[in-house]
Amino acid sequence: GAVVSQHPSWVICKSGTSVKIECRSLDFQATTMFWYRQFPKQSLMLMATSNEGSKATYEQGVEKDKFLINHASLTLSTLTVTSAHPEDSSFYICSARGRRLAGGEQYFGPGTRLTVT
Amino acid sequence: GQQLNQSPQSMFIQEGEDVSMNCTSSSIFNTWLWYKQDPGEGPVLLIALYKAGELTSNGRLTAQFGITRKDSFLNISASIPSDVGIYFCAGHGIFIQGAQKLVFGQGTRLTINP
Repeated sequence: GAVVSQHPSWVICKSGTSVKIECRSLDFQATTMFWYRQFPKQSLMLMATSNEGSKATYEQGVEKDKFLINHASLTLSTLTVTSAHPEDSSFYICSARGRRLAGGEQYFGPGTRLTVT
Repeated sequence: GQQLNQSPQSMFIQEGEDVSMNCTSSSIFNTWLWYKQDPGEGPVLLIALYKAGELTSNGRLTAQFGITRKDSFLNISASIPSDVGIYFCAGHGIFIQGAQKLVFGQGTRLTINP
């Protein structure tokens, strides 16, 4: 199956600092990558969609200046949480969709647990 | 945002029992996907369905794409401890704010008593 990796798997940072999370598709070319946020015991909440080489499309209510997304290649997307605050603490998960994957199929990374102190 | 109606929200069963969960929607989807999420991990794709009426199996898991294209179910037969986790349904194929995105159910939390 299609494999997506995420790094780091967890990170603790101080309030006011920035954190970068990487998402890689290991065995397929990801034409579209998605970033989700998940709160405890809740479903996944889509934050933004990014297509390779173009600007990300953010969901309503998601601050694009706070959550910077870059999808520079067909195998890598990054999410940078800028000037992090404790309320940004959450589980962030990326997923990817590829050209040769059947319509609608998305494969998820293992997630990144962010704790802002 | 838009969400599918997934039920039940939680299930407590004995090992060896069969499990059934379903998702319904007011919208028509072209694809139904079922994922399983373990604690602290990302969702893993279990089964993908592409045609109305399609019935697909993956080991002890069986899922069906409803004829109306507005619903899907997932069955797990003879449950084992490693089936514990949260199961999410997801629909794909409708345009939301100009783009096709996955719409998720709220999840079904499965707990198995040994």
